[in-house]
Amino acid sequence: SYVLTQSPSVSVAPGQTARITCGGDNIGSKSVHWYQQKPGQAPVLVVFDDSDRPSGIPERFSGSNSGNTATLTISRVEAGDEADYYCQVWDSSSDYSFGGGTKLTVL
Amino acid sequence: QITLKETGPTLVKPTQTLTLTCTFSGFSLRTGGVGVGWIRQPPGKALEWLAVIYWDDDKRYSPSLTRRLTITKDTSKNQVVLTMTNMDPVDTATYYCAHRRYGDYSGWFDPWGQGTLVTVSS
Repeated sequence: SYVLTQSPSVSVAPGQTARITCGGDNIGSKSVHWYQQKPGQAPVLVVFDDSDRPSGIPERFSGSNSGNTATLTISRVEAGDEADYYCQVWDSSSDYSFGGGTKLTVL
Repeated sequence: QITLKETGPTLVKPTQTLTLTCTFSGFSLRTGGVGVGWIRQPPGKALEWLAVIYWDDDKRYSPSLTRRLTITKDTSKNQVVLTMTNMDPVDTATYYCAHRRYGDYSGWFDPWGQGTLVTVSS
């Protein structure tokens, strides 16, 4: 299966920018999707196809993908952004793969 | 509006077979390109993809669990059923079903059901 590596945790002060990374072999050649999961809730899609946002997701959430790293960027972080974030890809050989998740703490 | 809901037992014994049903609305599995997937999450751990079924009845399974999983669909009832054999305490998890969307050479899950916690214990 295709391995996706995420840092376990990221901390940021309110109003600052959080960057959550997802590493994978030549991940830049794949489309990366990001989910937000708050405690006790189901995951919610926040970015798809590297950098597209579903309707209803604030513009503060953006994504990029190049080389061996994809990044979810959250600008002007708010207390309500505190959650676990997961990256995910699909490819024809491994089907669906999820990263190990990153816990975002808002200080 | 697309919604999904998982139903099934909350407690199963080791070696038993788990059967979970995903009942959905707002889309049809008769429509080209549509899929429904199952994903699980052990308490405090990461998401793990299990299986997906597509509109054309193509089925894909996680390589690590393929021998234990079966996914089927009933398009008339708008349901997808996942069975997992030989349950073990390590299979204790919240099980989610989700609508699969797709783009060019990509696929993702949106939205997800609320999830159902399954505990494996004697």
